Amino acid sequence: DVKVTQSSRYLVKRTGEKVFLECVQDMDHENMFWYRQDPGLGLRLIYFSYDVKMKEKGDIPEGYSVSREKKERFSLILESASTNQTSMYLCASTSGSTNEKLFFGSGTQLSVL
Amino acid sequence: DQQVKQNSPSLSVQEGRISILNCDYTNSMFDYFLWYKKYPAEGPTFLISISSIKDKNEDGRFTVFLNKSAKHLSLHIVPSQPGDSAVYFCAASALHGGSQGNLIFGKGTKLSVKP
Repeated sequence: DVKVTQSSRYLVKRTGEKVFLECVQDMDHENMFWYRQDPGLGLRLIYFSYDVKMKEKGDIPEGYSVSREKKERFSLILESASTNQTSMYLCASTSGSTNEKLFFGSGTQLSVL
Repeated sequence: DQQVKQNSPSLSVQEGRISILNCDYTNSMFDYFLWYKKYPAEGPTFLISISSIKDKNEDGRFTVFLNKSAKHLSLHIVPSQPGDSAVYFCAASALHGGSQGNLIFGKGTKLSVKP
C-alpha cells in the first residue's frame, strides 16, 4: 500500500513564525501536492510538483512556498505564519502516468495563534 | 468560479436506506471524475471513479452515475451503514486538457447515517 506520511498530526505556532510541514511518500511517485482543507471550502491546492526541484503554484499559493530536493519528500513552508493559515494541511502523491488517483497523508492540523 | 459544485453541505440518512450525493460541474473538458471519502482527522481516501466514456460504475454498495449532458454526477450508497458517515468530496480532472490533469475538488458533503 502507498504510504504518505506527514511529520506532524497537530501543530501550534505563533504569528510570524516560520513553519515547515514535511511530507514523505514511499511509492516513488513523481507527483506531489499540498492542499488545505477548511470547513465549507473543501480542498484547495496550494502548490504541486511533478519532479525533483520543480514546483508549480496551485490556486492559493500566497503566503506559502515549497521545496522538493528529493523525489520522496515535499515540504510546505509558511514563511511568516498568520492566523488565517490555521487549517488542515493535506499532502498527496500520485504516479506520473495520471493524476486522478491521489493518495493522501493523514493531514496536519495547524493552529496559528 | 467553482468548477465542481456540491450544493448540499450535509445529508442525513437512516441506516439501510439509500444515500445519494450529488455533484455538478461546469467545465466540459473534464473527462474523469472521482469520489473521495474523508473521516475526521484523516486524509481523504479514494472511493470510486468514472471516465466520461461511461455513464455508470459500480463497486459493491457504491455506484457512481454520470450524466454528461447535464454535467452532473451522483454517488449512490446502498444500503447505507453508520460507518459511511463521513465527508464525501467529488473531484474532476481534464486529463487531456491543458491543466496537467490536476484534480478540482468540490466543497464536500457531510453524510450522517443514523442507526
